[in-house]
Amino acid sequence: NAGVTQTPKFQVLKTGQSMTLQCAQDMNHEYMSWYRQDPGMGLRLIHYSVGAGITDQGEVPNGYNVSRSTTEDFPLRLLSAAPSQTSVYFCASRFLTTGTDEAFFGQGTRLTVV
Amino acid sequence: EDKVVQSPLSLVVHEGDTVTLNCSYEVTNFRSLLWYKQEKKAPTFLFMLTSSGIEKKSGRLSSILDKKELFSILNITATQTGDSAVYLCAVPKGGSEKLVFGKGTKLTVNP
Repeated sequence: NAGVTQTPKFQVLKTGQSMTLQCAQDMNHEYMSWYRQDPGMGLRLIHYSVGAGITDQGEVPNGYNVSRSTTEDFPLRLLSAAPSQTSVYFCASRFLTTGTDEAFFGQGTRLTVV
Repeated sequence: EDKVVQSPLSLVVHEGDTVTLNCSYEVTNFRSLLWYKQEKKAPTFLFMLTSSGIEKKSGRLSSILDKKELFSILNITATQTGDSAVYLCAVPKGGSEKLVFGKGTKLTVNP
C-alpha cells in the first residue's frame, strides 16, 4: 500500500531553473494539496485541488503552478526557482466525502535553490 | 481571517513528565480539529476532534476540544524520548476544504 508518494526526495536547483515535484496517491482521494514547511512557519498551503481538472490557490501560490489531470497525480511546478523557494515540500491528500478530515502526507521533498 | 495558534512553540521536559500542548483557533463554520505528530519526515495523524468535551485517547496521548472557548489540548503522560517531535494542530478553513495549520510545538524529551 503506497499511500502518497513524492519524488524526488532531495533536489538542488540553480536560481532560474524550473522543475516539477511529483506527487501520486493510490487511495482514490478527491482532495490533494501542496504545502511548504520552513523553520518557525509551520505548514503553509501552496495550491490544492478538490478533483481532476479543479485547482485553486492557497496562502503562498506565487512562483508555483499545479495541474490535476487525473485523480492520482498532482504535480507542482516551479517556474523559475528562487532562493526563497528553498524549503521542504509536502504533498497531502484526503477524502472529501467520508466524514473525516484526516489528511495523509508524502515523505517530503527537500529543495535547495542556490 | 481564519487562524490557528499553538503554544508553547517549544518545550523541553524530562522523561516521565506530563505535558500539555495548546491549540486555539478562529475559523468560520468550524467542523473539526486535527492533531499530527511530525518527527523527521511526514506528519502522522493522531486525532480528529469534532465534539466538545469528548476525550480522544491513544495510549499515553489524549486530546479534548472546547468549542465554546475555541481551543484544544493534547496531553502526553509519562513522556518518553520517542515522544520528541513537532506536534501540529490543523483546522479546515471555513467554507472550503483547505487545512490551516498552526506553527507547531516542538517537544524535546530528555532522558
